Amino acid sequence: DAGVTQSPTHLIKTRGQQVTLRCSPKSGHDTVSWYQQALGQGPQFIFQYYEEEERQRGNFPDRFSGHQFPNYSSELNVNALLLGDSALYLCASSLLGQGGNQPQHFGDGTRLSIL
Amino acid sequence: RKEVEQDPGPFNVPEGATVAFNCTYSNSASQSFFWYRQDCRKEPKLLMSVYSSGNEDGRFTAQLNRASQYISLLIRDSKLSDSATYLCVVNWGSSNTGKLIFGQGTTLQVKP
Repeated sequence: DAGVTQSPTHLIKTRGQQVTLRCSPKSGHDTVSWYQQALGQGPQFIFQYYEEEERQRGNFPDRFSGHQFPNYSSELNVNALLLGDSALYLCASSLLGQGGNQPQHFGDGTRLSIL
Repeated sequence: RKEVEQDPGPFNVPEGATVAFNCTYSNSASQSFFWYRQDCRKEPKLLMSVYSSGNEDGRFTAQLNRASQYISLLIRDSKLSDSATYLCVVNWGSSNTGKLIFGQGTTLQVKP
């Protein structure tokens, strides 16, 4: 039973560039949430996708956008990268149909470094 | 005020010790709560859900006080392998929408 998979594992970009991160949810899950984790901090909620739509969003600028595909996989796009975007980006999946209080399962994350 | 607050520690304890972590949250409408564990440079992993009546899983006991908006985690008989960061997590708001708000995390170091 495949868990949550994310790609790439590491990425180095420069300021002003754009990046796309990818996530495949755990088998049987229909909801994907994205989080940003800066060094020494807890993960911060970016947004959540369900039925191919952004269902809710955290306090992140429009430079952060996403997409969910019919197979439930998801992408996170970040435009006009800033140094402060350097972080671990985590994808988590869950089965919303069983209620939003179900635990979320996290992927290994993508470590993004901005130079 | 932070949405979910934890003492970042670090907590340095000897093997076999009992250690308790506390957490407070600001949204009184929130309905579900969790403790996650995160090892260095790894992803968070669910340790346990937290139920209103309190719940236990082996050496781990979680408690919830809704009136005080307070969550705790007790670890008994600490093992070296318990060394990690423990994240207090709140499913934000009354609708259990899956928007998880994390505390900063509390670092535990268990020493021989």
